[in-house]
Amino acid sequence: DAKTTQPPSMDCAEGRAANLPCNHSTISGNEYVYWYRQIHSQGPQYIIHGLKNNETNEMASLIITEDRKSSTLILPHATLRDTAVYYCIVRVDSNSGYALNFGKGTSLLVTP
Amino acid sequence: DSGVTQTPKHLITATGQRVTLRCSPRSGDLSVYWYQQSLDQGLQFLIHYYNGEERAKGNILERFSAQQFPDLHSELNLSSLELGDSALYFCASSAWDGEETQYFGPGTRLLVL
Repeated sequence: DAKTTQPPSMDCAEGRAANLPCNHSTISGNEYVYWYRQIHSQGPQYIIHGLKNNETNEMASLIITEDRKSSTLILPHATLRDTAVYYCIVRVDSNSGYALNFGKGTSLLVTP
Repeated sequence: DSGVTQTPKHLITATGQRVTLRCSPRSGDLSVYWYQQSLDQGLQFLIHYYNGEERAKGNILERFSAQQFPDLHSELNLSSLELGDSALYFCASSAWDGEETQYFGPGTRLLVL
């Protein structure tokens, strides 16, 4: 399984961009990078995913480096409601079906 | 709202008992996944069903079992409960086997006393 490494915690001021990094140096060529977040014991919420190209949706942008060994999730204008644990996940292969391996994630605190 | 529903929201029971957690996937989704989240273990994959068939098992104890019914809802059965089984239990659904975007329900909080 491709493992991911994320900083345990980050702070961001409200209204500023939050840039959350993730290292996945052992990612395979056909593995996607997924981002989920969990707000205080609620069910994890899908944010965005990508393979090679940068992706953007209404929630966030995902920047994947050309060698695919790392990526950055960008929340362009963080709000207090974005305070959550953010998980960077690389698809687990067939030994576990298509389960998501959540790891420890990054705890993002957005401050006023 | 992800469209995935789980009942009950909270469950308090005693050691040695058996409980059943229920999950209704998003309309049209064929895959259901179960995850357990405890304070010391984080979010861990338990089991995956696709269209009524078991597809993969993760860190699921032998005391736990699951099934997916013809109407695609799923149940997770936990028996001979121990204090350490206290956790949040989430189910997630996705459109088809291999479709990786999983949508999670609100979870069931189980407390074993």
